Amino acid sequence: EDQVTQSPEALRLQEGESSSLNCSYTVSGLRGLFWYRQDPGKGPEFLFTLYSAGEEKEKERLKATLTKKESFLHITAPKPEDSATYLCAVQNYGGATNKLIFGTGTLLAVQP
Amino acid sequence: EAGVTQFPSHSVIEKGQTVTLRCDPISGHDNLYWYRRVMGKEIKFLLHFVKESKQDESGMPNNRFLAERTGGTYSTLKVQPAELEDSGVYFCASSQDYQESNYGYTFGSGTRLTVV
Repeated sequence: EDQVTQSPEALRLQEGESSSLNCSYTVSGLRGLFWYRQDPGKGPEFLFTLYSAGEEKEKERLKATLTKKESFLHITAPKPEDSATYLCAVQNYGGATNKLIFGTGTLLAVQP
Repeated sequence: EAGVTQFPSHSVIEKGQTVTLRCDPISGHDNLYWYRRVMGKEIKFLLHFVKESKQDESGMPNNRFLAERTGGTYSTLKVQPAELEDSGVYFCASSQDYQESNYGYTFGSGTRLTVV
């Protein structure tokens, strides 16, 4: 069964303190891995899509990487406005649809 | 460009009543998805429309849930009759296949449904 596990569940950082979030996945055939950011009361906001092991993408202070078993979201010198829940999701080649399978997310709090 | 619009943003209904949620996707997006997040759990897929056709409804919990997409534009999700376990946040998302690598799926802000 396809599964996505994110760790840690919650992370508290000081402003400027870099760290990484982990997304481990089990899927029969990976079509794509997505990272989303979600603020309270809002829907998930798209950050990155990764398709193959070794691929990396960057956006401002965020960098996503992908291996055959997991993805990391690296946050460099975070600011308070980076506080949010970060969601990882995968697409499986084998399904009839492009549905996303989500993890439960990592709640990030960045303190000034 | 307008985003994905969902309404109502909140709905509180009694067990046994009927509720209809609406989603307006981004204009021109053929793909429309419904997802749900139940308290403490991950966001889970409900169903997928391509234009007006149901591509996959494997995530629909039971026959109390009915989704429609009129003319390939907006979509409605009806719950009838509502049960306590239907409470959660219902998200709608839309996409266009060739844009997914750059833009992913665009989600609405969700409808928070509370069944009491």
